[in-house]
Amino acid sequence: GQNIDQPTEMTATEGAIVQINCTYQTSGFNGLFWYQQHAGEAPTFLSYNVLDGLEEKGRFSSFLSRSKGYSYLLLKELQMKDSASYLCAVRPNAGNNRKLIWGLGTSLAVNP
Amino acid sequence: NAGVTQTPKFRVLKTGQSMTLLCAQDMNHEYMYWYRQDPGMGLRLIHYSVGEGTTAKGEVPDGYNVSRLKKQNFLLGLESAAPSQTSVYFCASSDRDRGRFDEAFFGQGTRLTVV
Repeated sequence: GQNIDQPTEMTATEGAIVQINCTYQTSGFNGLFWYQQHAGEAPTFLSYNVLDGLEEKGRFSSFLSRSKGYSYLLLKELQMKDSASYLCAVRPNAGNNRKLIWGLGTSLAVNP
Repeated sequence: NAGVTQTPKFRVLKTGQSMTLLCAQDMNHEYMYWYRQDPGMGLRLIHYSVGEGTTAKGEVPDGYNVSRLKKQNFLLGLESAAPSQTSVYFCASSDRDRGRFDEAFFGQGTRLTVV
């Protein structure tokens, strides 16, 4: 089967750094996405990795190791507004098959 | 630029009633999707479309039908609602992969309760 694992919950302190891990076992690999979802709102795109390595975008970075089936999202200089659920999703196939396999999300609470 | 718009935002149905959820996008995206999100289950794909006039089944298609008569619209129908269809429904769209990633843009969600 296809599976994505993420921690269910994490807590961190304002101003700190937090790393949210994602491991995946899928039939193929054609990209990994991270989305942020605030309570009661829609998911919004954060980052995309298809090659091994680190992608940096402001306070957020995402890392991928395809050989290990592993990714992490790094959030620096945490702010209260970063309290949200972070969803990891993998696209197993290329071409017109656009389906994503979604993790259950990691609920991050940022405390003052 | 509105992005992806879903209507309605909230709805309560009685078991056996029917309804249609409308999704409209103004980004000229080729791909559109309907998801449901339930506690402890994550996002699950109901149906999707890779272009006008096409539809395909996702993970959990039973009890739902879809149509994509116009490129900008993707309709999700429930013919006979059941309590198990109580959920938050999200529509999303994405562009054709033109050598770069194609992130999905989500609508604000429809909270459906079937009693």
